[in-house]
Amino acid sequence: DIQMTQSPSSLSASVGDRVTITCRASQSINSYLHWYQQKPGKAPKLLIYAASSLQSGVPSRFSGSGSGTDFTLTISSLQPEDYATYYCQQSYTTLLLTFGGGTKVEIK
Amino acid sequence: QVQLQESGPGLVKPSETLSLTCTVSGGSFSSYYWNWIRQPPGKGLEWIGYIFYSGSTNYNPSLKSRVTISVDTSKNQFSLKLSSVTAADTAVYYCARMALAGTISLLDYWGQGSLITVSS
Repeated sequence: DIQMTQSPSSLSASVGDRVTITCRASQSINSYLHWYQQKPGKAPKLLIYAASSLQSGVPSRFSGSGSGTDFTLTISSLQPEDYATYYCQQSYTTLLLTFGGGTKVEIK
Repeated sequence: QVQLQESGPGLVKPSETLSLTCTVSGGSFSSYYWNWIRQPPGKGLEWIGYIFYSGSTNYNPSLKSRVTISVDTSKNQFSLKLSSVTAADTAVYYCARMALAGTISLLDYWGQGSLITVSS
């Protein structure tokens, strides 16, 4: 199995802050890495696919980078609607899709 | 706009079989992989498995012995059966579409989720 490890598990930030979340894969997954945002009581929403491609309709303050085993999701200027939990997910092997443990972004 | 909607009983007794159906509307049903993912209360996401519209399947090895996913293309529906459930299977169950961006698979549309509680 490919294990996905996110850090931190939670963070507190203020509106306007730059926020960075990290995801590490247990083996190289090239760019087969996606980021999702989940708000309480809602389904996850695709933000970034293939490590750095912005899904249609997602604000440009979200960006992704990385390849191989280390990836980053960055929110350039945190907005009130960005408070949520963020998950990474690999599809390098579609025989077993795996998600990171999540990063909860809270209001400071 | 593609929409997915889960349906099924909210309460299942221990040792019985959990059954859920996902109805897809607003887009093509063909040429996609249709997935089930679950999330225990307060925890992270676990992929259960998928079915291609043609009927081929792939399951999470940790659940494979208890899972069956089937498809009804005439109704644009796919279904999940999970047998011999225990309290550990209590979760929100999501259905989701897997699309291809080049060679990369991604989960681009999700249902709203259905809370299934296992309790006597």
